[in-house]
Amino acid sequence: AQSVTQLDSHVSVSEGTPVLLRCNYSSSYSPSLFWYVQHPNKGLQLLLKYTSAATLVKGINGFEAEFKKSETSFHLTKPSAHMSDAAEYFCVVSDRAGGSQGNLIFGKGTKLSVKP
Amino acid sequence: EPEVTQTPSHQVTQMGQEVILRCVPISNHLYFYWYRQILGQKVEFLVSFYNNEISEKSEIFDDQFSVERPDGSNFTLKIRSTKLEDSAMYFCASSLWGTSQETQYFGPGTRLLVL
Repeated sequence: AQSVTQLDSHVSVSEGTPVLLRCNYSSSYSPSLFWYVQHPNKGLQLLLKYTSAATLVKGINGFEAEFKKSETSFHLTKPSAHMSDAAEYFCVVSDRAGGSQGNLIFGKGTKLSVKP
Repeated sequence: EPEVTQTPSHQVTQMGQEVILRCVPISNHLYFYWYRQILGQKVEFLVSFYNNEISEKSEIFDDQFSVERPDGSNFTLKIRSTKLEDSAMYFCASSLWGTSQETQYFGPGTRLLVL
């Protein structure tokens, strides 16, 4: 069965320092992986996704993630945190192989705090 | 940019009452979903819907739950007789083709509290 594990429930960084949010996945086939962000009182917004093309995926707001099959990881990074990045981040895997109808399996989420 | 909307944003109900959560998916999308997140737990898939039929449902989606597309724009989740454990944030999502590689677009959620 497919699953994702977000290793940190809470990450705190200072503004201007790098962000690393960790995610490991388990999948029996080549997965589709996503990072979603949720700001307070807002919906889940897609940051980026991996769907078996380039392993380094660039998303919105300067975020990127690298798919590492050997490590079964899909960590989210950003070189320099901004106050507006404070939110909850979800690593998500699709429960089916590419092309078939898929539903999403979520990690527990990582709450990112950004200190001035 | 088109977005998924949900109403109400918050709902408080008494145990045993029926609730209907409403969603307006993105207009040209064909697949619709409901997910829920109990406080402190993961977001969980409930049901997917295509062509006026349930495509898939999870084990959570028992006979107390139903979904409907009553008109060309709304997509609803009904809970017939709410239980305390139904208290959660409910998210609606939609996608164009429903494939596993596709982005699902989420609404802001409805926070349901059952007393």
